[in-house]
Amino acid sequence: AQSVTQLDSQVPVFEEAPVELRCNYSSSVSVYLFWYVQYPNQGLQLLLKYLSGSTLVKGINGFEAEFNKSQTSFHLRKPSVHISDTAEYFCAVSDAQGGSEKLVFGKGTKLTVNP
Amino acid sequence: KAGVTQTPRYLIKTRGQQVTLSCSPISGHRSVSWYQQTPGQGLQFLFEYFSETQRNKGNFPGRFSGRQFSNSRSEMNVSTLELGDSALYLCASSTNSNSNEQFFGPGTRLTVL
Repeated sequence: AQSVTQLDSQVPVFEEAPVELRCNYSSSVSVYLFWYVQYPNQGLQLLLKYLSGSTLVKGINGFEAEFNKSQTSFHLRKPSVHISDTAEYFCAVSDAQGGSEKLVFGKGTKLTVNP
Repeated sequence: KAGVTQTPRYLIKTRGQQVTLSCSPISGHRSVSWYQQTPGQGLQFLFEYFSETQRNKGNFPGRFSGRQFSNSRSEMNVSTLELGDSALYLCASSTNSNSNEQFFGPGTRLTVL
């Protein structure tokens, strides 16, 4: 079974400050890792994904994440946030062995960017 | 390309009724998954369909069921609605390539009174 822990339920930051949203996962098999963003009253949008290869992954809107296998972490970072980044962010894993595309999500982190 | 569409966007039902939600995947996508999102439990996997076959199922009671048609469109049904079924139901589609990238629809907001 897989599980995802997002360590912070809420993160308030000021505009133009850096931010890190933390994600740890647990799995007995190799996994793919994802970060999704959800704006109010909308579905989920993929920010970035790690399948294999380079552990530093760059996504849309200036976000990046680093896969750390030894620490089973996949933290999301942005060097300078904007008001428009205010949203809820979800970390997710799926089984890399194939046969299913089921995603297991963390509880989410609400990022609030203040002026 | 049109995105994933879900209908209806909003539903209000009363306890004991049943409901059917519809999802049209992105053209060419053959895999459809359903998720329930609630403030308390977060995002939970309901089921996944590929080529009209249920490939995976989450830990939900039998009142929750689904199906996929030959054109990849999918429906999910909830019978004997309970107050706790109030949630945002999200549908996601993918090509079933090895990228596991799923594209989500806007969801159906179900309120059970």
